[in-house]
Amino acid sequence: AQSVTQLGSHVSVSEGALVLLRCNYSSSVPPYLFWYVQYPNQGLQLLLKYTSAATLVKGINGFEAEFKKSETSFHLTKPSAHMSDAAEYFCAVTNNNAGNMLTFGGGTRLMVKP
Amino acid sequence: KAGVTQTPRYLIKTRGQQVTLSCSPISGHRSVSWYQQTPGQGLQFLFEYFSETQRNKGNFPGRFSGRQFSNSRSEMNVSTLELGDSALYLCASSPGARNTEAFFGQGTRLTVV
Repeated sequence: AQSVTQLGSHVSVSEGALVLLRCNYSSSVPPYLFWYVQYPNQGLQLLLKYTSAATLVKGINGFEAEFKKSETSFHLTKPSAHMSDAAEYFCAVTNNNAGNMLTFGGGTRLMVKP
Repeated sequence: KAGVTQTPRYLIKTRGQQVTLSCSPISGHRSVSWYQQTPGQGLQFLFEYFSETQRNKGNFPGRFSGRQFSNSRSEMNVSTLELGDSALYLCASSPGARNTEAFFGQGTRLTVV
């Protein structure tokens, strides 16, 4: 079984401030973790993925995430928020027993204030 | 390379009707998954097909079904539509057999009235 919890359904930051979106996972076997972003009326776009090669993963648009096994976390960060980062962000997990089936967290809506 | 294409983009149906949604994956991808997205339940997995075989199925009633063709294109069908089936239906294709990233289409917005 696998599950994902995203703490904070809404996060608001000022432009230029640090972005931190939290994700905790549960998986009975080693996980593969992903972050996706969704803009209004659009599908999901992959930001980055963790596949056990390195614990710090760099993605597109300046985002990165760190896998911490001891904390079962995979938090997403960006040093400086931009107005264009305003969107909904989803953390997802899969594992070797699940094919390509993704289990998503509830999502976090990021708002960026000017 | 063309992305994942879903048709139609928008659909309005009446309760009790049935609907078929279509998904064309990225060329070369043999895995196609379907998800339902609603404000209340979030993103929920419906099913995954790989080389024309259903590999995984989510917790949805039997009214939801799907299939995959030999060219990897996929369709999902919902019979006897209910108001609660109103949602954004997302299709995703993946390049490998497991644990590979999913590339999503723009979705089909289904409204049941």
